[in-house]
Amino acid sequence: DAKTTQPNSMESNEEEPVHLPCNHSTISGTDYIHWYRQLPSQGPEYVIHGLTSNVNNRMASLAIAEDRKSSTLILHRATLRDAAVYYCILRRDSNFGNEKLTFGTGTRLTIIP
Amino acid sequence: DSGVTQTPKHLITATGQRVTLRCSPRSGDLSVYWYQQSLDQGLQFLIQYYNGEERAKGNILERFSAQQFPDLHSELNLSSLELGDSALYFCASSAQQGARNTEAFFGQGTRLTVV
Repeated sequence: DAKTTQPNSMESNEEEPVHLPCNHSTISGTDYIHWYRQLPSQGPEYVIHGLTSNVNNRMASLAIAEDRKSSTLILHRATLRDAAVYYCILRRDSNFGNEKLTFGTGTRLTIIP
Repeated sequence: DSGVTQTPKHLITATGQRVTLRCSPRSGDLSVYWYQQSLDQGLQFLIQYYNGEERAKGNILERFSAQQFPDLHSELNLSSLELGDSALYFCASSAQQGARNTEAFFGQGTRLTVV
């Protein structure tokens, strides 16, 4: 499985933007970059995904580097409800059953009121 | 609400026993994934089924087995339980095979405690 590297933890002030980085230097051309988050005592929750272009949705934005070796999840205005562990995952081609999500240790985001 | 339903929410059982965890995927989703989350191991992929057939296997113990039924619900069977099997077990579903461009939806999990 392609590996991603994320900081173990980050802190941000409430109502400020948060940039969560992820390195994935061994990404292949067909890997999609997915972000999930896990709030305390809940199952993981989909946040956003992309291939090459930057993506926006109601939850966040995903900025993908031109060489695709890194990406940044952007929460535009963090709230206390955004405190969670954020996982950056590469989702591979379905051949050989490789489309499973492989979770690393993620980034634990703490929001300071 | 993700649309994925897991039952039971909590389960307490003794060592050596057998339990069955149940997962109903989102309507129309053909792929079901099982994950185990313990404090020291993080989220570990166990097994995937697609439309009734086993598709991928992760670090699943021989004491554990799973199946997906014709109505697409899935069951994870854990036998000869040990204290170390205490964990949260999550089920996820996604729309189709080749689903790297779609999201997966997770249930709220079953918390298994082995005493």
